[in-house]
Amino acid sequence: QTVVTQEPSLTVSPGGTVTLTCASSTGAVTSGYYPNWFQQKPGQAPKALIYSTSNKHSWTPARFSGSLLGGKAALTLSGVQPEDEADYYCLLYYGDALVFGGGTKLTVL
Amino acid sequence: EVQLVESGGGLVKPGGSLRLSCAASGFTFSDYSMNWVRQAPGKGLEWVSSITSSSNYIYYADSVKGRFTISRDNAQNSLYLEMNSLRAEDTAVYYCARDRGYCSSISCYGIDFDYWGQGSLVTVSS
Repeated sequence: QTVVTQEPSLTVSPGGTVTLTCASSTGAVTSGYYPNWFQQKPGQAPKALIYSTSNKHSWTPARFSGSLLGGKAALTLSGVQPEDEADYYCLLYYGDALVFGGGTKLTVL
Repeated sequence: EVQLVESGGGLVKPGGSLRLSCAASGFTFSDYSMNWVRQAPGKGLEWVSSITSSSNYIYYADSVKGRFTISRDNAQNSLYLEMNSLRAEDTAVYYCARDRGYCSSISCYGIDFDYWGQGSLVTVSS
């Protein structure tokens, strides 16, 4: 069974920078996994942030960026705002299946 | 404006059945693959099933294979999830999500779950 692993929780100060990662139990994450990143706030549906590793949607704030880092997919927030406090999920493609990471709870403190 | 509205959720007994619907508007539904994603109370997201634009390719998570059936009606701009032999562990909010990617016989490309509905709660309990 394929497992996608994210940091369970991270804390960042307002204005700071934080990187969330997404690792695959099958090995290094590449662009062929089409990494997607989503933000979810309490009581709300997930909101798409990043697709195909590093592409932003029209509504994605410029402070969010996606990349591949050390064999993992990564989401970096630069100049974190209080409203960025949320759960973040990655999604990877495995041919005949898609797998979400367990999510990272980001606290802005 | 793209809108996805799920319906059909509710309380069902273990072993029972339920059919979820997702009504789409604001885009050409027949051009897009669609997906169901669920979230158990207090837990993370779990991909459930995908269907391509013409229903040529359909995929299921192992956890629902053989029990759930995804389908779509492009004339009605609707996506469906038929759920049978329901278990307590199927209790979750079920979201439909649009995918801008596409699939060939070899692989899928450009996965992008760009728009999501607000979800429909399914509770399996006696």
